[in-house]
Amino acid sequence: AQTVTQSQPEMSVQEAETVTLSCTYDTSESDYYLFWYKQPPSRQMILVIRQEAYKQQNATENRFSVNFQKAAKSFSLKISDSQLGDAAMYFCAYRSVNQGAQKLVFGQGTRLTINP
Amino acid sequence: DAGVIQSPRHEVTEMGQEVTLRCKPISGHDYLFWYRQTMMRGLELLIYFNNNVPIDDSGMPEDRFSAKMPNASFSTLKIQPSEPRDSAVYFCASSSNRGQAFFGQGTRLTVV
Repeated sequence: AQTVTQSQPEMSVQEAETVTLSCTYDTSESDYYLFWYKQPPSRQMILVIRQEAYKQQNATENRFSVNFQKAAKSFSLKISDSQLGDAAMYFCAYRSVNQGAQKLVFGQGTRLTINP
Repeated sequence: DAGVIQSPRHEVTEMGQEVTLRCKPISGHDYLFWYRQTMMRGLELLIYFNNNVPIDDSGMPEDRFSAKMPNASFSTLKIQPSEPRDSAVYFCASSSNRGQAFFGQGTRLTVV
């Protein structure tokens, strides 16, 4: 079974600085998707970024980028120029691409605090 | 589209009562997921459906929990009888094939 591990329950960073959140996963599949979701205090789950496993190039979305290391099964999220609005829980997620059975599992989450 | 719609937003019930949570997925999505979120256990996948058929219910904690998807636009998660340890936020999410999951606002369940 696929599992996702986020080893940092909490992280903090100074406003305008850069922070990296870690994520590792376990799978025997060769093709899959990886995601980072953000959950602010409003409770809404918001997609931050996605990565297809067959793509070697790391995904980027404005201030958010990932470091995808397929062999190491590692998928970290880098937030540059941190802003107060980035404060939230961040969840790493894995999705199978098997036809008809595309399970989506999440890590335990990392609570990110932004210090002004 | 209005997104994934869950009801109710909040539910307070007494131990032993039946609780039914409802979800309307985004039109055209063929996957529907039910999750439970607690401080201790994080975001747990309870069950997911593909084209209205349950694919994996291994996350359902016990027989008190059941989920149905009678058609492509509606799903329910039922707890009978409810217990205080069922208190959590329950999320429904839907997605297309190989797409990102879109989440509802969640139902905060409190069992007293």
